[in-house]
Amino acid sequence: QVQLVQSGAEVKKPGSSVKVSCKASGGAFSSYTISWVRQAPGQGLEWMGRITPTFVTTNYAQRFQGRVTITADESTSTAYMELSSLRSEDTAVYYCTRDRGSSRWFDPWGQGTLVTVSS
Amino acid sequence: SYVLTQPPSVSVAPGQTARITCEGNNIGSKSVHWYQQKPGQAPVLVVYDDSDRPSGIPERFSGSNSGNTATLTISTVEAGDEADYYCQVWDSSSDHYVFGTGTKVTVL
Repeated sequence: QVQLVQSGAEVKKPGSSVKVSCKASGGAFSSYTISWVRQAPGQGLEWMGRITPTFVTTNYAQRFQGRVTITADESTSTAYMELSSLRSEDTAVYYCTRDRGSSRWFDPWGQGTLVTVSS
Repeated sequence: SYVLTQPPSVSVAPGQTARITCEGNNIGSKSVHWYQQKPGQAPVLVVYDDSDRPSGIPERFSGSNSGNTATLTISTVEAGDEADYYCQVWDSSSDHYVFGTGTKVTVL
């Protein structure tokens, strides 16, 4: 049973960067495709990007291009999402989740990491 | 970019049937997945590939997809089904993932 455990809440200043981790257990990490999804307070789910098996390629949503970097460390079974040039609108809960199947659904999900951007 | 539209809210009495729609251009040609999210919790997959259920999800949750509308149906609704529900597709043309706008289900 795959489990994803994320790092704790962060408070950041506008203009700074945040790096959130997602540690996987219970499966072959190098075979995973991991996506990151965020949810602003009271808002819906928004896909940010993903990293593919063997961590060879990444794919980012257009609105985050240039600001988000997704990486993975196979030795620790951990994926990372770094978001730079933070602004107040980036205040949200950030989730990691595993892509499944040829039609790409998400299961399971990490518990979420709250990132608060405030001066 | 591909857009998925859901009604903001659906209200249903206990024991009745809730139907949540997800509208998108020719969505019937795509595979649709559905998630349940309760307050303060991560989303949980309840239906994938239009109508398949992950293990542990009750048979009361079912899905269908045709034309421009996909539907999640919750039969014999219980108080514990009160949550936000999101549809999702993978748009192969852009290789991006799209979520619906979300529907809040209220059990009266």
